[in-house]
Amino acid sequence: IAGITQAPTSQILAAGRRMTLRCTQDMRHNAMYWYRQDLGLGLRLIHYSNTAGTTGKGEVPDGYSVSRANTDDFPLTLASAVPSQTSVYFCASSDEGGKGYTEAFFGQGTRLTVV
Amino acid sequence: GQNIDQPTEMTATEGAIVQINCTYQTSGFNGLFWYQQHAGEAPTFLSYNVLDGLEEKGRFSSFLSRSKGYSYLLLKELQMKDSASYLCAVRDSNYQLIWGAGTKLIIKP
Repeated sequence: IAGITQAPTSQILAAGRRMTLRCTQDMRHNAMYWYRQDLGLGLRLIHYSNTAGTTGKGEVPDGYSVSRANTDDFPLTLASAVPSQTSVYFCASSDEGGKGYTEAFFGQGTRLTVV
Repeated sequence: GQNIDQPTEMTATEGAIVQINCTYQTSGFNGLFWYQQHAGEAPTFLSYNVLDGLEEKGRFSSFLSRSKGYSYLLLKELQMKDSASYLCAVRDSNYQLIWGAGTKLIIKP
């Protein structure tokens, strides 16, 4: 693994089903994020984690949950998928220790279609 | 509310120069980022500005005016591979990134 990896790359999911999107990073970054990207809209933050063991809600958290049991993994769960959750999901990480200049590194994305 | 504005789409010619503007209204300011995103791929970091002025990095430069809530990304000597979306993002007072919708740049031969 080099950088940040998401799985699956794409998925078609029946409405009402539960789904977990996986995200793993090997850069030892303390902060991790989940975004969704929809056509014509900017990246919107779903949930974030500033350090292992803590999580926070972003701009659009409803219908999603996350956990951060360790530094490397940050899974995103859709408890009961709905068509409006059709989107491209990006996981990202950054080293936010000093709150100075830090860039976010992104996974390759998961294209999710809820039918 | 917080808002980042960028043009939706721009077209430029190979070898030319293009300037992509970004205006923002956010609760606090802790830096502005530009990212490049090719179709179907993840965003990748281009530049960071936290003080007023111009930051130059090869063919790409980024400018910031905090008093005007304004930034631009300048791309010189355009190449076909520069065809992509360019995302402007501002880190607010909570150190969260607020993203613009992106500017799709089309390069023509």
